[in-house]
Amino acid sequence: NAGVMQNPRHLVRRRGQEARLRCSPMKGHSHVYWYRQLPEEGLKFMVYLQKENIIDESGMPKERFSAEFPKEGPSILRIQQVVRGDSAAYFCASSLGQGIGNTIYFGEGSWLTVV
Amino acid sequence: AQSVSQHNHHVILSEAASLELGCNYSYGGTVNLFWYVQYPGQHLQLLLKYFSGDPLVKGIKGFEAEFIKSKFSFNLRKPSVQWSDTAEYFCAVLISGAGSYQLTFGKGTKLSVIP
Repeated sequence: NAGVMQNPRHLVRRRGQEARLRCSPMKGHSHVYWYRQLPEEGLKFMVYLQKENIIDESGMPKERFSAEFPKEGPSILRIQQVVRGDSAAYFCASSLGQGIGNTIYFGEGSWLTVV
Repeated sequence: AQSVSQHNHHVILSEAASLELGCNYSYGGTVNLFWYVQYPGQHLQLLLKYFSGDPLVKGIKGFEAEFIKSKFSFNLRKPSVQWSDTAEYFCAVLISGAGSYQLTFGKGTKLSVIP
């Protein structure tokens, strides 16, 4: 299966700890997106990255959240000093190109629980 | 800002019943439209998409959707549902222009099919 790969699938963190979520895009895709799904809500855009560049982080909370997509290796979504409100499903997605006419494919998600 | 409305939060049907899930969006320009399905505990899977051309789009598993530009709608249909269609369904729109890589999602419709 050459789909979007995310790990870990489930992550439990205590308040104040750090959470790191990893995402490998589909083969050949250089556009990566992170979305968050809160309970009873649709998915909300967080950040859009290309290799070594953050293109749009307008959906990211201003503090504690960061994302990167290095030249080598997976994209990482990092949440520092987690709080209960960070508990959600975090979905990574990728596409071959950008914008209209491109299909965005999603990974299986990482479910973060903060206790 | 653009928005996507899904009319029904939870739909309950018996097997073999017909399905129609409503989706309306608020944007007057060029759009790409998608329906994704999320089975319990799994990732978002693309059901079907509309980019241009024939407004009646056929997807996987017997689903179809009709783009009606004048009504800003993209309703999902299936003539005869099965128990295995029990899932949550999300409508999403990709708009042209600035931010054209951000999918805007509806809040989702949970479908429960009773055997």
